[in-house]
Amino acid sequence: DAKTTQPPSMDCAEGRAANLPCNHSTISGNEYVYWYRQIHSQGPQYIIHGLKNNETNEMASLIITEDRKSSTLILPHATLRDTAVYYCIVRILTQGGSEKLVFGKGTKLTVNP
Amino acid sequence: NAGVMQNPRHLVRRRGQEARLRCSPMKGHSHVYWYRQLPEEGLKFMVYLQKENIIDESGMPKERFSAEFPKEGPSILRIQQVVRGDSAAYFCASSPRVNYGYTFGSGTRLTVV
Repeated sequence: DAKTTQPPSMDCAEGRAANLPCNHSTISGNEYVYWYRQIHSQGPQYIIHGLKNNETNEMASLIITEDRKSSTLILPHATLRDTAVYYCIVRILTQGGSEKLVFGKGTKLTVNP
Repeated sequence: NAGVMQNPRHLVRRRGQEARLRCSPMKGHSHVYWYRQLPEEGLKFMVYLQKENIIDESGMPKERFSAEFPKEGPSILRIQQVVRGDSAAYFCASSPRVNYGYTFGSGTRLTVV
């Protein structure tokens, strides 16, 4: 089961910042938070990941709360092409040395002109 | 610098036939992951492989499904005696090491008629 909770849908005006929340209250100390997005039925696209500290790259910023129980993905200037389903994922580590990403249902972000 | 290549993009099989899905990871990537996505659902982990080794197959159905990643050539996901419930999009992802963003392919859409 997914360890994350996200709102099913959000809207954002083109050019404005999109802030996508995610709750992961059962996250363990060594589990990373990953964000992916899926446009239409294409393969998911990696956006960003982090453990404790806030992270930023050319696509987005990731803000993780101090207790690590929630995070927010920020798209600073949303465009119409950012319309997609955004998945917040906790990377699971297993005792056998495996890792996997457990996807939930994500947030459907619609950027409006 | 090709991304993760999956083929075929679309595959139609009659009930009882075999489906063979291929995935060529990105150059330099030795970790391969297979995920399945049913309509209107998130992605579900199936199997994690490294060259010639299955690391984690906890998401694979117990029967009819198998996966391999040989020393040479692409990773193969094989579904024997397909049933209508196997109709889904199957995505492959690769990474160069653990705890690194996965790159997903465009998927294979399997339709069982």
